Amino acid sequence: AQSVTQPDIHITVSEGASLELRCNYSYGATPYLFWYVQSPGQGLQLLLKYFSGDTLVQGIKGFEAEFKRSQSSFNLRKPSVHWSDAAEYFCAVGLSGTYKYIFGTGTRLKVLA
Amino acid sequence: SAVISQKPSRDICQRGTSLTIQCQVDSQVTMMFWYRQQPGQSLTLIATANQGSEATYESGFVIDKFPISRPNLTFSTLTVSNMSPEDSSIYLCSVEDPSGGPQETQYFGPGTRLLVL
Repeated sequence: AQSVTQPDIHITVSEGASLELRCNYSYGATPYLFWYVQSPGQGLQLLLKYFSGDTLVQGIKGFEAEFKRSQSSFNLRKPSVHWSDAAEYFCAVGLSGTYKYIFGTGTRLKVLA
Repeated sequence: SAVISQKPSRDICQRGTSLTIQCQVDSQVTMMFWYRQQPGQSLTLIATANQGSEATYESGFVIDKFPISRPNLTFSTLTVSNMSPEDSSIYLCSVEDPSGGPQETQYFGPGTRLLVL
């Protein structure tokens, strides 16, 4: 069955520190992969997406993610976190040809000043 | 991308009543989607709304409880009927990428925060 796992429910980092948010998926076909961010009281904003090609994708706000097929992972990274990055981050798998997404349960990021 | 607005942004309702949520997008799109995000949970797809056809509901969601309209290519409504406290959630609409293509990217509205007392 298709699934998306975000192992870390909460992560706390200091401002300026590096960040990695984990995402593992289970999907039989070639996945379309997405990271969204939900700031407090806001909807979801697309950070980046992977469909094919270069496995390292760049997104907005200085985020990047790397697709590793052998590990079924699509981890999100940022070299230096800003206080405004405090939010909840969702990883999602798009089921090809259906427009349906499977979302992970989210990781809530707290940034310490 | 697409600019999506939702009305109302939030509401507090009494049990047994109904609330209609509106979703407006700045581009014509074929597919619109409605999601529910229960407190502390991830997003669950309620239904897919294509213009000119009946909405397609996911398992666990029924039309009598969540009727959907899709009168044109830029607008949709979701009604939460006969509400109970368990319906307290964030309801989000999303749309397919209006630029087209096979990439199945969705863009989300800001959400409607519903509290049922």
